[in-house]
Order: sequence, then C-alpha cells, then structure tokens
Amino acid sequence: DTGVSQNPRHKITKRGQNVTFRCDPISEHNRLYWYRQTLGQGPEFLTYFQNEAQLEKSRLLSDRFSAERPKGSFSTLEIQRTEQGDSAMYLCASSPPRQGATSEQFFGPGTRLTVL
Amino acid sequence: AQSVTQLGSHVSVSEGALVLLRCNYSSSVPPYLFWYVQYPNQGLQLLLKYTSAATLVKGINGFEAEFKKSETSFHLTKPSAHMSDAAEYFCAVKSRDDKIIFGKGTRLHILP
Repeated sequence: DTGVSQNPRHKITKRGQNVTFRCDPISEHNRLYWYRQTLGQGPEFLTYFQNEAQLEKSRLLSDRFSAERPKGSFSTLEIQRTEQGDSAMYLCASSPPRQGATSEQFFGPGTRLTVL
Repeated sequence: AQSVTQLGSHVSVSEGALVLLRCNYSSSVPPYLFWYVQYPNQGLQLLLKYTSAATLVKGINGFEAEFKKSETSFHLTKPSAHMSDAAEYFCAVKSRDDKIIFGKGTRLHILP
C-alpha cells in the first residue's frame, strides 16, 4: 500500500498523559499536513511542513501540541498533558511538489484519540 | 478569507433517486473547490475538484458537481443513489496558502 499511513489508528489515554502519533506520507511528497476533526465537524487545519520545515501553525495548536518532521519524511504529532477536549480524529495528508495551485492532498485513515 | 457552507447536515434519499448535496463558497479570488467523501472510521477520499478548467466536473463513483459563479455554488449530484454512497461528504476550498478549508459536512443516508 503506497498511501498515507497513520499509527496508531486508535488511542485511548487518561487526562494528563502525553501521546504521540505518527504519519508516513506518500513517498516523494514534500508537503505534509495535520488536521483535527471533532465530532460533527469538518477537519480543521493544524500545521504543515514543506520537507522538514514547519511553515505554518494554526492558533488551534496550543503550546501542548508539537509536530516534527525531522528528515522530511515521516512526521510526529505530540500532545502533552492531554485534556478531554483533545479527543478527536487527527488526520494527516501529504501532497507532491506544488504544481500550480491544484496539487491534491492525499489523506491517511486518521488516528482517533479518546481522552478519558 | 475563503470559506464554504454546506446546507443540511443530514440528507436522506431513496436508493435509485437523485442525490443533491449543496455547497456555497465565499472567496475573494477564483476558488479551487473540492468534494471529499469519508466512510466510517476512514480518512478522506477526493471525489472531484474544480480548478477553473471546466464548470461541470465529473468525479469518481458517478458523482459530478457544477461550479456556478453567479450563485457562488458548487453542488454535488449523482443521478441514481446506491446504498454504498452512504457516507459523510465534505465540500472544501483551497486557501491561497495551500490549506484546505472544509465545510461541516453532510451525512448522506440511503433509504432502501
């Protein structure tokens, strides 16, 4: 399977614990995006990388959230001191080098986080 | 700033009937518009996209959408619904800085 993969698919944690999610983009896709989707809502942009550089962070991304893409390939999203409000589906997407403004983003299956 | 509004959080149609999911956009520049589908516990799959080449866009699984600038709309249609079309559908617009801005989604129910 050469699509975007995310691990784990599900994570249940207790409030106050730290969690880390991983995203493996499609090979040779230089852009990688993180989105968060809460129940009944569409996905909301969190942050994105071009190669290893983090180019933008949404104001939704509080100080407890950090994302990395150290070698420009896979990315991790860490949430420290989780809160119940962090419960959501975390989606990763990747896109190839920009070709005009129409390069498509390919989404992974997501990681569903439940904070008890 | 770009945004999309999806009218109706739930739509029910009978199997074999026309599917119409409504989306209106707001954009100060020519928009790039998308429809995505999400099946339960899965990620998003692109159905189709509008990139200003043609106003009627055909996508996968028999879906199509028509861009109407005068109405700022990009409604999704399918002539004949199938049970396998039951899913959540998201209209989205691409911002100038490459983010995708999604609507709140419309859950499509297919009645036997």
